[in-house]
Amino acid sequence: QKEVEQNSGPLSVPEGAIASLNCTYSDRGSQSFFWYRQYSGKSPELIMFIYSNGDKEDGRFTAQLNKASQYVSLLIRDSQPSDSATYLCADSGYSTLTFGKGTMLLVSP
Amino acid sequence: DAGVIQSPRHEVTEMGQEVTLRCKPISGHNSLFWYRQTMMRGLELLIYFNNNVPIDDSGMPEDRFSAKMPNASFSTLKIQPSEPRDSAVYFCASSLGSGGATDTQYFGPGTRLTVL
Repeated sequence: QKEVEQNSGPLSVPEGAIASLNCTYSDRGSQSFFWYRQYSGKSPELIMFIYSNGDKEDGRFTAQLNKASQYVSLLIRDSQPSDSATYLCADSGYSTLTFGKGTMLLVSP
Repeated sequence: DAGVIQSPRHEVTEMGQEVTLRCKPISGHNSLFWYRQTMMRGLELLIYFNNNVPIDDSGMPEDRFSAKMPNASFSTLKIQPSEPRDSAVYFCASSLGSGGATDTQYFGPGTRLTVL
């Protein structure tokens, strides 16, 4: 049974700072991971996925995967109040996603 | 383009009643997923269909839950009889492929179910 662990937070950062969100996973064979953002009362929406070791950048977002440490992170540069949401990390298996419970991010103006 | 459509958006029912949740996936998508989200357990996969065929139903809690996908554009999740512990937000998601490592899932708006 795959497990994905995330600190529930909240993680509080000031506007303009870098927010660092992390998750660890249990399946050493896992190959790819998704990051979703979920605003309160809304559905999850895709931010990005990462498939290989190292970094992947998309605008203000950078995903990092370290397979040796079984660790995935999401960096948000120049954080904005509109980034305040819960961020879900998901382990992509052969056909399904296993989600962590999410980290709440609060960006204060 | 329309996204994933779910109905109803909110459902309040009494314990013992039958509840049916509906989902229309994005046109052309081959995989459909039903999830349940609660504060305690987070987002859990209930069942996954590929090309209208149930592939993995290991997340269905018990026999009270059933899901069908009679065609490529419609799926239902039924709870009979409903219990208060079934209260949650139920999401439907769809993806273009067969759910592989890079196959993005797109979520519907969810159905908030309250069982009294």
